[in-house]
Parts: sequence; C-alpha cells; structure tokens
Amino acid sequence: DQQVKQNSPSLSVQEGRISILNCDYTNSMFDYFLWYKKYPAEGPTFLISISSIKDKNEDGRFTVFLNKSAKHLSLHIVPSQPGDSAVYFCAASSSYSGAGSYQLTFGKGTKLSVIP
Amino acid sequence: SQTIHQWPATLVQPVGSPLSLECTVEGTSNPNLYWYRQAAGRGLQLLFYSVGIGQISSEVPQNLSASRPQDRQFILSSKKLLLSDSGFYLCAWTLGTVNSPLHFGNGTRLTVT
Repeated sequence: DQQVKQNSPSLSVQEGRISILNCDYTNSMFDYFLWYKKYPAEGPTFLISISSIKDKNEDGRFTVFLNKSAKHLSLHIVPSQPGDSAVYFCAASSSYSGAGSYQLTFGKGTKLSVIP
Repeated sequence: SQTIHQWPATLVQPVGSPLSLECTVEGTSNPNLYWYRQAAGRGLQLLFYSVGIGQISSEVPQNLSASRPQDRQFILSSKKLLLSDSGFYLCAWTLGTVNSPLHFGNGTRLTVT
C-alpha cells in the first residue's frame, strides 16, 4: 500500500519556466511533508518542508503548497534552471508516531529535466 | 556542523557472500539513524532505524540486519547476499525530534552478481 504517491515519473520543462511537481498521500495521520532533491549516485538533499498547519511555504525559488482536504501537495520551482534537473522525492511523516519511531515515508520520485 | 559518512561508495559482491556497510555521523549526539534502500524503479524504502545504542527496529523482513555499536555508528549487514539485495543503500540521521528532516549520506551502490 503506497501511502505517498508521485504519479508522474518524469517531467520536462523549459529553462526559465515554472516546474510543478505533484504528490498525493493517503494517510490522514501525516502532518509534516518534505521535498528532497537527488542527483545520480548521491544521497537525497533536503529542499523544503511544510507543516499541516500551513498551506504554503516559500524558500527562494521553491514553494510548497499543501491542500489537506485533497491530500495533495505540490512543489513549484520558479524560474527553473538546468541545475534543477534531478529526481525529486516527496516525503511525509506523522508526529503521532512520536520521536521514538519517527520516520519518513517517500514517494517513488519524479525526474525533472530542465531544458536550456 | 553535522556530517554523515557512508562507505564504500560502490560494491560488487557475489551471491552468497557477506555484506557490511558502515555509516558514521559527526557533530551531533544521540541521533536517530536510518537505513533506506532505493531499488531500480522504486522509491526509498525504509529498512531499519535506531533511536539509541543497541536499539534496532526493522521495517522490512529480509536477510539483512543492522547494528548500532556506538552512538554515531550504524552498520548494515548480511550473512549471505541475494541477487534481490542489489540497490542503492542510504544511511540517514535526524535529531530525535518529530518534524525534523532526515539528512542522507551519499549512498552505497551495491551490485550482487
């Protein structure tokens, strides 16, 4: 049972345009959401997160939107740059699990290609 | 600042051979430690996590095991590798609080032949 879903395995965007990566979740207990960026042969790097008490969080060119009623979040990258080309993972966690069993559940990732 | 080291970067092992991957974290005390695996075409799958020395929780039953002999050391092992163990193994750490991001090492590419 996949609790975090990224339905688009890949996305191509022209340099300078907006990239929108989508993520859906099924577990209502999730209340903290994160986006990671991963280059080949490297570990994922934390990008941005959002708590369920917010519906938007912005950090430079990156903005994450959360729609709790739809159990949907998205990552917007504006403007997109060739260096943004990577695999992006959506992840979620639940504070109800407590610090002792805190873990992230990841989607399968979306490969973003930014075309110069 | 905190850093995480994971080695080796790549490993090719025959079926039936043992495995030992090591991970260490610097710059923090009593971190939560995790082992994830990324198999081809799949997301990041949590294998083990630990909240303290000697404490290991297993998420997926398999022929892998984990140990935490020291506060900032996490080891992934197998007595006999299977072909299906091939993948990209990632160690990660986080502060022992909820809603804190995981920070990953650079991973080990394991190929079982």
